[in-house]
Amino acid sequence: AQKITQTQPGMFVQEKEAVTLDCTYDTSDPSYGLFWYKQPSSGEMIFLIYQGSYDQQNATEGRYSLNFQKARKSANLVISASQLGDSAMYFCAMREDQGAQKLVFGQGTRLTINP
Amino acid sequence: DAGITQSPRHKVTETGTPVTLRCHQTENHRYMYWYRQDPGHGLRLIHYSYGVKDTDKGEVSDGYSVSRSKTEDFLLTLESATSSQTSVYFCAISVHFVGHGLAPGAEAFFGQGTRLTVV
Repeated sequence: AQKITQTQPGMFVQEKEAVTLDCTYDTSDPSYGLFWYKQPSSGEMIFLIYQGSYDQQNATEGRYSLNFQKARKSANLVISASQLGDSAMYFCAMREDQGAQKLVFGQGTRLTINP
Repeated sequence: DAGITQSPRHKVTETGTPVTLRCHQTENHRYMYWYRQDPGHGLRLIHYSYGVKDTDKGEVSDGYSVSRSKTEDFLLTLESATSSQTSVYFCAISVHFVGHGLAPGAEAFFGQGTRLTVV
């Protein structure tokens, strides 16, 4: 069954440090996609980065990179040089590419950046 | 964005009344989803659709029904609202980017959310 797990309910990081948010997944579908979203206190869902299961390289978008380890079924988000504005909830999600393409989310990690 | 609008944005209703939330998209995307978000639970999938009249249940579908009679609209109905259904509801669509000169990828676009309070 399709499942996403985020094991860190909260994280506290000093400004300018790098931070890694963990995400593990489970699926029997050989083709799938992994997403990360940021949800600030204002409530909107902001897309950060996407990784396809067949992509050979780890995805990067500015300060965000996805550490994709297929054999371990992990898709950790790395934020380099954290900023105060990075404080938010972060959600990992997975969509199986076959069939109905159900999209499921993890429970999220609340990241707090300290000055 | 993918032109997603949710309506209403806020609603207060009484226990036992039916409530319908609407998700409207302007891009004719195939896959649409309804989630609820509650503290400590992240986004939980209620129902999803993979085409007109093609829908399926998510992990928290009890007490909810959906309909998709045309591509652009995905309706979520609380048949008889209960206080446990007080939540923020999000609609989303997922899109694959292939061809047309775009780098392969995907994204899920979200509506603004609907805050529903059942009293």
